[in-house]
Amino acid sequence: GAGVSQTPSNKVTEKGKYVELRCDPISGHTALYWYRQSLGQGPEFLIYFQGTGAADDSGLPNDRFFAVRPEGSVSTLKIQRTERGDSAVYLCASSPTTGGNTEAFFGQGTRLTVV
Amino acid sequence: AQSVTQLGSHVSVSEGALVLLRCNYSSSVPPYLFWYVQYPNQGLQLLLKYTSAATLVKGINGFEAEFKKSETSFHLTKPSAHMSDAAEYFCAVSEAGGTSYGKLTFGQGTILTVHP
Repeated sequence: GAGVSQTPSNKVTEKGKYVELRCDPISGHTALYWYRQSLGQGPEFLIYFQGTGAADDSGLPNDRFFAVRPEGSVSTLKIQRTERGDSAVYLCASSPTTGGNTEAFFGQGTRLTVV
Repeated sequence: AQSVTQLGSHVSVSEGALVLLRCNYSSSVPPYLFWYVQYPNQGLQLLLKYTSAATLVKGINGFEAEFKKSETSFHLTKPSAHMSDAAEYFCAVSEAGGTSYGKLTFGQGTILTVHP
């Protein structure tokens, strides 16, 4: 596709519910990242995929958060038993290669509101 | 461990005035440094990046930044602000080195307001 696509753009859910957030990276990009941006803060790293595998999930805040990328393209971030503190904008980014100097291309994000 | 500090959560300038957005970093290894811009209701867009070549980096829309190792700084400047520059700006760092894979550590962001 032309860019990184994230769906839905907005999600309102009740406390305790399960949510899935989807990311379609740029075609051919092997690296995929999830970040979380709370109000008034910069994005914070959650997880990194190289191909199908999660190479670094050190940013996931707890075991309620899980992400998959089964075919090395689309990724889904899953949050169980949502809490009000999970409310944030969840950003997905992809890049064509790995390496610290590689530009990451970001989607517009999914704004999650837990009520 | 890496960290980024952006001095000033809000900066306001007049149209045509100099823009200066400050960024200081902390890194235990040589860093790569980035500036991203986020316009309202849009995703983050790369403005420019420093990757150990020239210390003065030119980016899109007339922005540039200078890497100063002695000051651990990577401040963003633009000689003359335009109304369309109003946005939130993020400084970010990633590690250089063979095991690095592009994980970014962001500052808290600076909202730039441009007055007519």
